[in-house]
Amino acid sequence: NAGVMQNPRHLVRRRGQEARLRCSPMKGHSHVYWYRQLPEEGLKFMVYLQKENIIDESGMPKERFSAEFPKEGPSILRIQQVVRGDSAAYFCASSPPQGYTEAFFGQGTRLTVV
Amino acid sequence: AQSVTQLDSHVSVSEGTPVLLRCNYSSSYSPSLFWYVQHPNKGLQLLLKYTSAATLVKGINGFEAEFKKSETSFHLTKPSAHMSDAAEYFCVVSGVPNDYKLSFGAGTTVTVRA
Repeated sequence: NAGVMQNPRHLVRRRGQEARLRCSPMKGHSHVYWYRQLPEEGLKFMVYLQKENIIDESGMPKERFSAEFPKEGPSILRIQQVVRGDSAAYFCASSPPQGYTEAFFGQGTRLTVV
Repeated sequence: AQSVTQLDSHVSVSEGTPVLLRCNYSSSYSPSLFWYVQHPNKGLQLLLKYTSAATLVKGINGFEAEFKKSETSFHLTKPSAHMSDAAEYFCVVSGVPNDYKLSFGAGTTVTVRA
């Protein structure tokens, strides 16, 4: 059973471009969570999604950031018009549908904005 | 709201000697507490968790942590460090049991000297 898969592992974007980060949850998991880790800081919750639904996006910046988890395919975290301050590691986690007890994390995507 | 403070950003130990990683938390509720480890180029792995049962929690790879409510601490220990313990360790709190919204400490990097 493969773990949570994130790609790409490293992403470089110029200021103003769009960044798309993908997360495939563990097999059988229908809940996905995105976290961001800024340099020298702990991970910060961004958004919680179930298939085709955003459950909690209280940690998402109000502009330029969006997330989806379609019926088919991976969850996508999308950052439009990236700025240098978006440079961070973005982690995805998943949990099974029968209630949250533990999150299983991916390896993260390291975004660098130049 | 809940938060976590990891008191050491870096810890260096010799192989075979004890490891102590310190963590203090604040929470308005009876918290759930976790320790995660991240090895280079790997995802975050759960070491152990406390969810209001026994205050001394045993985890994987010989790690254990003790919940001390009076000191609001959840320090992680291991009697004898191994080279494979070199990694980054995160102390994590959720405000209520089984809450998906986790609050991470900034992390402690452990190096193990031969």
